[in-house]
Amino acid sequence: DAKTTQPTSMDCAEGRAANLPCNHSTISGNEYVYWYRQIHSQGPQYIIHGLKNNETNEMASLIITEDRKSSTLILPHATLRDTAVYYCIVGSGNTPLVFGKGTRLSVIA
Amino acid sequence: ETGVTQSPTHLIKTRGQQVTLRCSSQSGHNTVSWYQQALGQGPQFIFQYYREEENGRGNFPPRFSGLQFPNYSSELNVNALELDDSALYLCASSWGGTPNYGYTFGSGTRLTVV
Repeated sequence: DAKTTQPTSMDCAEGRAANLPCNHSTISGNEYVYWYRQIHSQGPQYIIHGLKNNETNEMASLIITEDRKSSTLILPHATLRDTAVYYCIVGSGNTPLVFGKGTRLSVIA
Repeated sequence: ETGVTQSPTHLIKTRGQQVTLRCSSQSGHNTVSWYQQALGQGPQFIFQYYREEENGRGNFPPRFSGLQFPNYSSELNVNALELDDSALYLCASSWGGTPNYGYTFGSGTRLTVV
């Protein structure tokens, strides 16, 4: 079973920041937080991952709380093309990804 | 660099038949994982191959089997197809069983069992 809890769906206005929360209260010390997204009819796409520190790349930022029990994925300026299902996944470097149902993000013009 | 390619993109089979799905890994990746995604659900892990050996398996029966070849491409075989096997089958490649670089997924094969 997935070790994360995410809201089922969220809306975001185009051009605004999308903040997607994830709870992972049972995360262990060697486990990373990974974020993937799946646009309709495509395979999941890797976005970002982190262990303890906040991370940023060209797609998004990942904010992990100090106790590591939750995190937030931030898309700074959401576009219509960011409409997708976003998956928050917890795992260690050598275990398969375990997907939950994710959050369906709808970006609205 | 090339991504992960899967074939065929769509397939219709009859209950009881056998099917083989194919996956070419991203260049430089030596680990392949297969996932099954039913409609409205997240992908479910089937198994993983690393250097031609199965090194992890999810909760799927033995009629789901796989192979990885020396060039790191892979096949998923499903025997005695059931209606519930209808799903999107996703292949993902990564480096060395430690996916810190992230898995790269293909676009999947849509299997319909009638």
